[in-house]
Amino acid sequence: NAGVTQTPKFRILKIGQSMTLQCTQDMNHNYMYWYRQDPGMGLKLIYYSVGAGITDKGEVPNGYNVSRSTTEDFPLRLELAAPSQTSVYFCASSSALHTDTQYFGPGTRLTVL
Amino acid sequence: AQTVTQSQPEMSVQEAETVTLSCTYDTSENNYYLFWYKQPPSRQMILVIRQEAYKQQNATENRFSVNFQKAAKSFSLKISDSQLGDTAMYFCAFMNPRGGTSYGKLTFGQGTILTVHP
Repeated sequence: NAGVTQTPKFRILKIGQSMTLQCTQDMNHNYMYWYRQDPGMGLKLIYYSVGAGITDKGEVPNGYNVSRSTTEDFPLRLELAAPSQTSVYFCASSSALHTDTQYFGPGTRLTVL
Repeated sequence: AQTVTQSQPEMSVQEAETVTLSCTYDTSENNYYLFWYKQPPSRQMILVIRQEAYKQQNATENRFSVNFQKAAKSFSLKISDSQLGDTAMYFCAFMNPRGGTSYGKLTFGQGTILTVHP
């Protein structure tokens, strides 16, 4: 199994540009999450989803949007990119049925200049 | 709200020796999960070990074990026979798996950079 995959791995944006970070999992997990990790810090939750069509805000949702049209995909949209959004972004998923362990993707390093 | 504190920004250990990483947390919940994740230079977040709060027995995974002290809200990670591949940032994390606004969400500590020297 591929687990959780994320694209792209790296991206440089100019201030004010928009982009979508893609996340896909093939484990049939109901729960999916987006985190950001700033240099030297732990991860902070941006948004999460408990199933297709259901999303909710985490700790740091401002400047981001998400959607969950399928169980597998959970894209994160950045509108009007700002330097404060320079970070590494991680997508994760977990099964509500059998385990609460979250499995992480490899991350996307985003730089906004 | 839950908080997780890792008081050791950096640690180092010689290959084959044992090292313990500290973690404390604050919560009013009785049932919860605790995790240690490893983040090597590749940036991948890798689950090392997890502990259910309702279990008194400390979790172990090969060379990794925890010392879970529920009353003290302490959750330390012991790495035995350290290997060069253990060099990474280690994060302690808390999850409330049942109900409330923190349902199913991980709260991370600040991380501890562990360097294993040959």
